[in-house]
Amino acid sequence: ETGVTQTPRHLVMGMTNKKSLKCEQHLGHNAMYWYKQSAKKPLELMFVYNFKEQTENNSVPSRFSPECPNSSHLFLHLHTLQPEDSALYLCASSQERGYGYTFGSGTRLTVV
Amino acid sequence: AQSVTQPDIHITVSEGASLELRCNYSYGATPYLFWYVQSPGQGLQLLLKYFSGDTLVQGIKGFEAEFKRSQSSFNLRKPSVHWSDAAEYFCAVVANTGNQFYFGTGTSLTVIP
Repeated sequence: ETGVTQTPRHLVMGMTNKKSLKCEQHLGHNAMYWYKQSAKKPLELMFVYNFKEQTENNSVPSRFSPECPNSSHLFLHLHTLQPEDSALYLCASSQERGYGYTFGSGTRLTVV
Repeated sequence: AQSVTQPDIHITVSEGASLELRCNYSYGATPYLFWYVQSPGQGLQLLLKYFSGDTLVQGIKGFEAEFKRSQSSFNLRKPSVHWSDAAEYFCAVVANTGNQFYFGTGTSLTVIP
């Protein structure tokens, strides 16, 4: 247990489904992140939230919609995904932006 | 722009042998440097980090890394590898102004008996 909890661990969804990924941290960190990890590719930063405010959106398609209701929780809402969106989605948090991340165990997403 | 290169996609070592994983970065100033390890099906765990000071840093699980400014490198080492060290290793860099992390593509380590 790293202090960052992601649920569910595994998710299979159809292209027309709507689902949400959840991330929770009680480390007192102020910044939270969503990363996408695909095979043989570098980790891709998707979204950054700093003190609950979104500070970065790295050209992520609108079918991915983040939500940060408070500094401890981060969601990634998914709708009308494509098979190429299948990947491991990692949540991370840090005390200050960029100062050593604590990662969750990830959600393995498969889009069928 | 910052970038991180891990030249070795896959490395195989025998248990008990020494290990060195290479990492080179591209950045105009001294960045903050990190090594993470990822076991199958897991998230990334921080092994060690370099911010400033002593260029040889010690981490968890017996790992160490040395920052060499002249070579823009931050190689990870372990004197004696254990079978449980088999995993994916990622080097990462972030500007000391606190901007986003840049990760390498990772090095997969296999440990043979």
